[in-house]
Amino acid sequence: SQQGEEDPQALSIQEGENATMNCSYKTSINNLQWYRQNSGRGLVHLILIRSNEREKHSGRLRVTLDTSKKSSSLLITASRAADTASYFCATAGNNRLAFGKGNQVVVIP
Amino acid sequence: DAGVIQSPRHEVTEMGQEVTLRCKPISGHNSLFWYRQTMMRGLELLIYFNNNVPIDDSGMPEDRFSAKMPNASFSTLKIQPSEPRDSAVYFCASTHPDRVPYNEQFFGPGTRLTVL
Repeated sequence: SQQGEEDPQALSIQEGENATMNCSYKTSINNLQWYRQNSGRGLVHLILIRSNEREKHSGRLRVTLDTSKKSSSLLITASRAADTASYFCATAGNNRLAFGKGNQVVVIP
Repeated sequence: DAGVIQSPRHEVTEMGQEVTLRCKPISGHNSLFWYRQTMMRGLELLIYFNNNVPIDDSGMPEDRFSAKMPNASFSTLKIQPSEPRDSAVYFCASTHPDRVPYNEQFFGPGTRLTVL
């Protein structure tokens, strides 16, 4: 399956702490993307990491990609209450973008 | 830019009725995607268009579902007849043409469909 799968499924942390989510996949990819979805809204693209990249940063986000293990991680540093959302990884390959089922992250003020 | 526009935002209908969902992609984006999101199955790609032509409709669940893109600024997803198991949030997304379908996608707010 091309589809990414996130782990853990749900995460509850205190404001200011770091949140880490993992994503695993099964086949080769062109790139891997992370999206955020706030309740009742559409998905918003956060960051894209290409298959030849190992790490990428964007603001408080840090993404890693290990193609040998077919896994990626998303780290949100210094979390804020506004980071409360579901986070999805999406694997780009096989002519489509395939989404995982998402991670629910709750940041407690 | 207004982003991807979807209408209606909410639709409640009775089993057997026809449902039409509408999407206006971001101007300049000529690739458009329809997704369905449920708790059980997550986010599923139904169909995507490139330059108004359907490229991959393998995710369309059955013949009751059809999608059209008559021009670069408008697409519809139709369910006829609708069934309770079609209840879900339907998202439309668009992206610019370079390296489709691997670019970042821009999602609309979704249409929450409830079939009674």
